[in-house]
Amino acid sequence: QSVLTQPPSVSGAPGQRVTISCTGSSSNLGADYDVHWYQQLPGTAPKLLIYGNINRPSGVPDRFSGSKSGTSASLAITGLQAEDEADYYCQSYDSGLSGWVFGGGTKLTVL
Amino acid sequence: QVQLQESGPGLVKPSQTLSLTCAVSGGSITSDGYFWSWVRQPAGKGLEWIGRVDTSGFTNYNPSLKSRVTMSRDTSNNQFSLKVSSVTAADTAIYYCARVTMVDGFYFDSWGQGTLVTVSS
Repeated sequence: QSVLTQPPSVSGAPGQRVTISCTGSSSNLGADYDVHWYQQLPGTAPKLLIYGNINRPSGVPDRFSGSKSGTSASLAITGLQAEDEADYYCQSYDSGLSGWVFGGGTKLTVL
Repeated sequence: QVQLQESGPGLVKPSQTLSLTCAVSGGSITSDGYFWSWVRQPAGKGLEWIGRVDTSGFTNYNPSLKSRVTMSRDTSNNQFSLKVSSVTAADTAIYYCARVTMVDGFYFDSWGQGTLVTVSS
């Protein structure tokens, strides 16, 4: 059971918009710790997608956006492309555990 | 552009100690503003943070693994290491080393390619 809760899977057709939620608690997202997102393509290492809730590293398309409110955060992907099919993870800090925590991951399927 | 590369045995016997090293290039492990960390991922499962070492050599570990984990750094070779003692099949996973950046939160901005460690007799 992950400290941060994500839906196991989401799907969408090419060109559509999908969102992936990340739900935490008062010891992580609710304590105003930032949330970050990673994309993991099959057989590869995770790649930073969003940091500091809303920021995109250089090279990440603006089709990817992040938001955070209270104990929840979301990753939105617009203009869905086949290459977006991957696992997505949220990550934050948890004061109760005194360490970094990940969500359980969400598998995005492009129909 | 910093690069990280894990190395170590791919097979470890139960009850023994798993030892991995992460070689860092393109940046110094003593540079301010970063932590150096290990993350693992069992096959078909999610990511689990193992621990971190900072630029001064201080460490912090995941409470669920703390009793079995030791991390250290070798500044002369610009690398850091992980040891997990008393391993079981549950420690079988891909182990990633990663750099953690402290700007707008703490996040893993560079990752190694990962190395598969199997615990089996």
